[in-house]
Amino acid sequence: DQQVKQNSPSLSVQEGRISILNCDYTNSMFDYFLWYKKYPAEGPTFLISISSIKDKNEDGRFTVFLNKSAKHLSLHIVPSQPGDSAVYFCAASASGYGGSQGNLIFGKGTKLSVKP
Amino acid sequence: DGGITQSPKYLFRKEGQNVTLSCEQNLNHDAMYWYRQDPGQGLRLIYYSQIVNDFQKGDIAEGYSVSREKKESFPLTVTSAQKNPTAFYLCASSMGVAGAQPQHFGDGTRLSIL
Repeated sequence: DQQVKQNSPSLSVQEGRISILNCDYTNSMFDYFLWYKKYPAEGPTFLISISSIKDKNEDGRFTVFLNKSAKHLSLHIVPSQPGDSAVYFCAASASGYGGSQGNLIFGKGTKLSVKP
Repeated sequence: DGGITQSPKYLFRKEGQNVTLSCEQNLNHDAMYWYRQDPGQGLRLIYYSQIVNDFQKGDIAEGYSVSREKKESFPLTVTSAQKNPTAFYLCASSMGVAGAQPQHFGDGTRLSIL
């Protein structure tokens, strides 16, 4: 049973417009959420994170929003650039969750294509 | 320059053969992890280690083994018991317990069956 879901396998956006990537989770024990960006044949790169005590975190063009009641988070990229084209993974962790506290649970990823 | 080094980048395994994937980090991180990625799938945790000489099974540990004799090194052995080893393997590390400490990844090893 998937605890972290990214329901859109792909997303195509025009350069300069906003990209919105969505992520849903089922485990209410999750208290920390991260977004990673991955290019082909490379490892994921940490992008931005948010703690469950916040509902928004911003870093330059990237903003993550957390809606705990809906168990939903989203990553906004504004403005989108062709170099943003990559697979984006959402991940979550639950501190103190049994013996594997802090381990990340990943979604399946969303492939973002930003067209010039 | 600090980072995580995985080697080799590509690896081929014959039937019945054990192979070992290397992962070295010079970030002085305590925790290290091994993930497997299959096409169209997220990352699945194989093994993790929070301190030297200690490691725990992840979600898909069957057919794999690890060791953590040094803080910098966390090699993964794919044994002949792993019947479907073809995948992209990623090693990661973090300062402490993940979550509040983001994991940093190497560039992966792609393992294929001959």
